[in-house]
Amino acid sequence: AQKITQTQPGMFVQEKEAVTLDCTYDTSDPSYGLFWYKQPSSGEMIFLIYQGSYDQQNATEGRYSLNFQKARKSANLVISASQLGDSAMYFCAMRDSGYSTLTFGKGTMLLVSP
Amino acid sequence: EAQVTQNPRYLITVTGKKLTVTCSQNMNHEYMSWYRQDPGLGLRQIYYSMNVEVTDKGDVPEGYKVSRKEKRNFPLILESPSPNQTSLYFCASSLSGQGVRGYTFGSGTRLTVV
Repeated sequence: AQKITQTQPGMFVQEKEAVTLDCTYDTSDPSYGLFWYKQPSSGEMIFLIYQGSYDQQNATEGRYSLNFQKARKSANLVISASQLGDSAMYFCAMRDSGYSTLTFGKGTMLLVSP
Repeated sequence: EAQVTQNPRYLITVTGKKLTVTCSQNMNHEYMSWYRQDPGLGLRQIYYSMNVEVTDKGDVPEGYKVSRKEKRNFPLILESPSPNQTSLYFCASSLSGQGVRGYTFGSGTRLTVV
């Protein structure tokens, strides 16, 4: 069974600073995918970044980067230069090798202050 | 516009009154799935479908039914809703085997059962 753990229920960061949201995972599949989603107060799920288990390089998408440490089974999200609009709930998720299941962590609420 | 459409967005109902939440996608995706989101628990998979007439249980299927008669539609049926099914529900779709950016989520349905 797959499991995603996000140990930070809430994080605070000041505008323009960088922040790291933690995510560890557990799976016996050699092939899997890792995602980060953002959920603002309006409720929609917004895709941020993806990392495949066989990808050699860490994924980056604009201000978002994924710090993928396969041996430690961690996939932390790094947001550089935080903006007020980054205040939201952030979910880490893992896709199984059969592409049938997307397992989510419990989320981290990020608050960005001026 | 490529999208997953859920209806209704908000629903208040009474215990035991059958209801259906509709989900439709216009991207010709094979894979569709339903999730419920509860505070402190993240998103949990209810049912998923790999293609027409192929459905399978997720982590929390009790009290729910689904059907996949057409590729574009994947309704979620609560035959006898109970208050513990009060939740935020998301439908998602994906091309099979397309993990990167592959999951498109609907806007969510906030269900309250009284």
